[in-house]
Amino acid sequence: AQSVSQHNHHVILSEAASLELGCNYSYGGTVNLFWYVQYPGQHLQLLLKYFSGDPLVKGIKGFEAEFIKSKFSFNLRKPSVQWSDTAEYFCAVWDDYKLSFGAGTTVTVRA
Amino acid sequence: DGGITQSPKYLFRKEGQNVTLSCEQNLNHDAMYWYRQDPGQGLRLIYYSQIVNDFQKGDIAEGYSVSREKKESFPLTVTSAQKNPTAFYLCASSLRALRTSGRREQFFGPGTRLTVL
Repeated sequence: AQSVSQHNHHVILSEAASLELGCNYSYGGTVNLFWYVQYPGQHLQLLLKYFSGDPLVKGIKGFEAEFIKSKFSFNLRKPSVQWSDTAEYFCAVWDDYKLSFGAGTTVTVRA
Repeated sequence: DGGITQSPKYLFRKEGQNVTLSCEQNLNHDAMYWYRQDPGQGLRLIYYSQIVNDFQKGDIAEGYSVSREKKESFPLTVTSAQKNPTAFYLCASSLRALRTSGRREQFFGPGTRLTVL
């Protein structure tokens, strides 16, 4: 079974700073990868997904992620964060018939 | 509006009681899932169901039970055997996943926060 590692438990940064959240999965082959976000008091929602093709994937709200097969990684980036990006971020990989999630990274953006 | 509803939003239970959490979807999805979310542990899969009248245990099924009698409904019962039931419970659904084509985005409900008193 796949396992997913998210390197940062809690990230604190100022508005306009750049954000990068690390995500590694445990084994290769064909992978389907996702980043979900949970804003305070809201549903878990999809930020972006990678199925195949261009390894640089663009999502909603200015987020992007890069799939690097050789590193088993799918890191999330945003060049300039806003206060409204304060949320919990989860990386997930499709594993057989289900999603396996990382432990999540809490991002706090200070105004 | 298409989506997933979970009820209740907050639930309080005394030790030794069974409680049932509701999950309904009108997205016409075949597959449904129950996750438990604890701080610092991400989402852990409790049970999932690919089709009506069929379901499988996830990673942490002990102390939980489910049924899938209708396509749109997947209730979760937290039994008294669950040692640490206080948590946030999330229901999700997706189109049916195939082993060779896991290209299935999951859609999530708003969650139920269960507290054992």
